[in-house]
Amino acid sequence: EIVLTQSPGTLSLSPGERATLSCRASQSVGNNFLAWYHQKPGRTPRLLIYNASRRATGIPDRFSGSGSGTDFTLTITRLESEDFAVYYCHQHAYSPLTFGGGTKVEIK
Amino acid sequence: EVQLVESGGGLVQPGGSLRLSCVASGFTFSSHWMHWVRQAPGKGLEWVANIKQGGSEKYYVDSVKGRFIISRDDAKNSLFLQLNSLTAEDTAVYYCARGLGWLPDSWGQGTPVTVSS
Repeated sequence: EIVLTQSPGTLSLSPGERATLSCRASQSVGNNFLAWYHQKPGRTPRLLIYNASRRATGIPDRFSGSGSGTDFTLTITRLESEDFAVYYCHQHAYSPLTFGGGTKVEIK
Repeated sequence: EVQLVESGGGLVQPGGSLRLSCVASGFTFSSHWMHWVRQAPGKGLEWVANIKQGGSEKYYVDSVKGRFIISRDDAKNSLFLQLNSLTAEDTAVYYCARGLGWLPDSWGQGTPVTVSS
């Protein structure tokens, strides 16, 4: 099983600031099948990034993903109010599919 | 527009069973892998199971193997999850999700399952 470790656990930032979230895999993620979701309280997770760096439909370009192998990063260049949420990374290369524990991006 | 509507959740005693359903619309259901993902109260996401188009392949997380059964009815655009031998650790919101390959891309609103005496 691939274990995904996200850091930091909580990120306290102000609107307009840059957010950098990390996801480290316990083994290489094949084909870079690594995705990012965000989830607001009481809401359904929404796909942001897939294949490590491709934005999902309708996702603004302030969201970008990078990385390969075992180290991946989600960057939000200028935080907007709707971006404060919990972010999960996810690998869908191997069964069992796994998610990271999440990074909460909160308003400072 | 992709829509996934789950139902069947509720309160069940330890050792009991439930059958969750998910009705899909807005896309060609028979062409997609489908997933169940759960989220315990205040916790993160946990993938539970997925099923290939036509139902010929099924995969499960170890913690539910032998207790949960995923199935689908492509004629009715429906996905199911039979939950047996439930324990308190199975308490969660259960989401149905469409797969792009194995990537869950669109999610339903979820149905809550509470296992308690």
